[in-house]
Amino acid sequence: AQTVTQSQPEMSVQEAETVTLSCTYDTSESDYYLFWYKQPPSRQMILVIRQEAYKQQNATENRFSVNFQKAAKSFSLKISDSQLGDAAMYFCAYRRSQGGSEKLVFGKGTKLTVNP
Amino acid sequence: NAGVMQNPRHLVRRRGQEARLRCSPMKGHSHVYWYRQLPEEGLKFMVYLQKENIIDESGMPKERFSAEFPKEGPSILRIQQVVRGDSAAYFCASSPRAGGRSEQYFGPGTRLTVT
Repeated sequence: AQTVTQSQPEMSVQEAETVTLSCTYDTSESDYYLFWYKQPPSRQMILVIRQEAYKQQNATENRFSVNFQKAAKSFSLKISDSQLGDAAMYFCAYRRSQGGSEKLVFGKGTKLTVNP
Repeated sequence: NAGVMQNPRHLVRRRGQEARLRCSPMKGHSHVYWYRQLPEEGLKFMVYLQKENIIDESGMPKERFSAEFPKEGPSILRIQQVVRGDSAAYFCASSPRAGGRSEQYFGPGTRLTVT
């Protein structure tokens, strides 16, 4: 079974600085998707960024980028120029690419605090 | 295009009562997923449905929990004879198709409190 591990229960960053959130996963599949979701205090799950395992290029979305290391099964999220609105729980998630279950497998999350 | 709708947003039930959680997927989406989030935890998959079919219920507790997605109307997650351990946030997500790059869009969740 696939598992996702986020080893940092909490992180903090100063406004305008850069922070990196860690995620590792375990799978025997070769093709899959990885995601970072943001959950602010409203509890709404918001997709931040997606990475397809067959793509070597790291995904980027404005201030958000990932460092995808397939061999190491590592998928970290970098937030540049942190803003107060970035404060939230961040969840790393895995999903198989084709066939079988469509379920997302989530890590336990990292609580990010942004200090003014 | 309205997002995924869930109601109620908050639900309080006494032990032994039934809880019914509703999810209306985004327009054009025929795939629905239910997840449960316990306090201080990530989301855990419960069940995946297409119209009138349960595709994967590997995350559903064997007793007291059931889900449906009828041809017309919202998807329903039903919890019979609730216990305190059922207190959690229940999230519904929908997608237009299965597999590939298809993204799951989440609703705002229903927070169930069992007293």
